[in-house]
Amino acid sequence: QVQLVQSGGGVVQPGTSLRLSCATFGFSLSSYGIQWVRQAPGKGLEWVAVISSDGSYKNYADFVKGRFTISRDNALNTLYLQMDSLRIEDTAVYYCAKMHSPGSYFDYWGQGTLVTVSS
Amino acid sequence: EIVMTQSPATLSVSPGERATLSCRASQSVSSSLVWYQQKGGQPPRLLIYAASTRATGIPARFSGSGSETEFTLTISSLQSEDSAVYYCQQYKDWPTFGQGTKLEIK
Repeated sequence: QVQLVQSGGGVVQPGTSLRLSCATFGFSLSSYGIQWVRQAPGKGLEWVAVISSDGSYKNYADFVKGRFTISRDNALNTLYLQMDSLRIEDTAVYYCAKMHSPGSYFDYWGQGTLVTVSS
Repeated sequence: EIVMTQSPATLSVSPGERATLSCRASQSVSSSLVWYQQKGGQPPRLLIYAASTRATGIPARFSGSGSETEFTLTISSLQSEDSAVYYCQQYKDWPTFGQGTKLEIK
């Protein structure tokens, strides 16, 4: 049974850092790309970052480029999103999502973790 | 960036009736389009991929159609548990989502 279990959210002040984790179960993580998607309170879905199956390719939405870093540890079956220089507008529920195949859609999602950036 | 536009923003339909949700892309995405269902406090759930293929375990009352720039999600014989927000997303390019259609069951 495919599962993505997230952790690491919380309340932080602007300018600080937070690391989100996404532990995966029920599939071979090393075979799949993973993306992070966020959803601000009461708003729609917004793509944040992608990492390829072997970690060699990464890309970011412009609004997080230079501040967020996506990484993975296939041996631990876990993905990470390091978020630095957080801004109030980064407040959202963050989801990790498994890609069905390269450049494809998301077939399984984590439960989401809330990040609140507030002074 | 490919902009996805959904209509209507809100749809209210009686149980047993049909709901039709629309999604338009700002440029052709071929059939690289999915529909997700999201209920309060939950992650999105994949309903339809490749514009018209139902995901595993999705009831036959959900169907998708369209190609290029115009897409439709049809839910026939609505049930109370279909109350949710529905999003379309293209994966022809970097993923972009529509703003969602909130489906209310009268």
